[in-house]
Amino acid sequence: NAGVTQTPKFRILKIGQSMTLQCTQDMNHNYMYWYRQDPGMGLKLIYYSVGAGITDKGEVPNGYNVSRSTTEDFPLRLELAAPSQTSVYFCASRSGNYGYTFGSGTRLTVV
Amino acid sequence: ELKVEQNPLFLSMQEGKNYTIYCNYSTTSDRLYWYRQDPGKSLESLFVLLSNGAVKQEGRLMASLDTKARLSTLHITAAVHDLSATYFCAVEPSGGSNYKLTFGKGTLLTVNP
Repeated sequence: NAGVTQTPKFRILKIGQSMTLQCTQDMNHNYMYWYRQDPGMGLKLIYYSVGAGITDKGEVPNGYNVSRSTTEDFPLRLELAAPSQTSVYFCASRSGNYGYTFGSGTRLTVV
Repeated sequence: ELKVEQNPLFLSMQEGKNYTIYCNYSTTSDRLYWYRQDPGKSLESLFVLLSNGAVKQEGRLMASLDTKARLSTLHITAAVHDLSATYFCAVEPSGGSNYKLTFGKGTLLTVNP
């Protein structure tokens, strides 16, 4: 089992560019999440999904969009990248027995 | 809104010493998680605490949960250098299927020889 796979691992974007961060899980988990981590701030929830076709905003959704067309995939879209979106992004999924699995992260720099 | 506070945020310890990290949270919860993160890495699950009075131990780390006080502790016994990392607590609210984690800011632990 690969668990939660995120791509790319690193990316540099110019201000105003767009990109999609990919997240795939092979554990058949219904719940999936996107978090961002800024230094000294812990992880903050951007968006989450309770199943295919259902998504909801987290604490810091502005500037991001998500979709969930399949159980496996939960991509995060950044439109018009801004320096404030420089961060490390983690995708996660939750199993029925309370365990969360995190991906390896995407380090994004917007210049 | 659920708030999670960890303290201390920075902890410098000598090898062999004991210390405790505290995690307070603001609303009702029966599920609390502890994670470890090494620099540049993802989060590694340490403990999942699912009920009041739960205590779990793994090696030199022991975690406990007091849901009435809305407090969890992570106790480090006889610290060694390999325990140097950032430790996060995270809380999942009670009720229904509100499954999402709110994290504390993390405790950066440095264990010195």
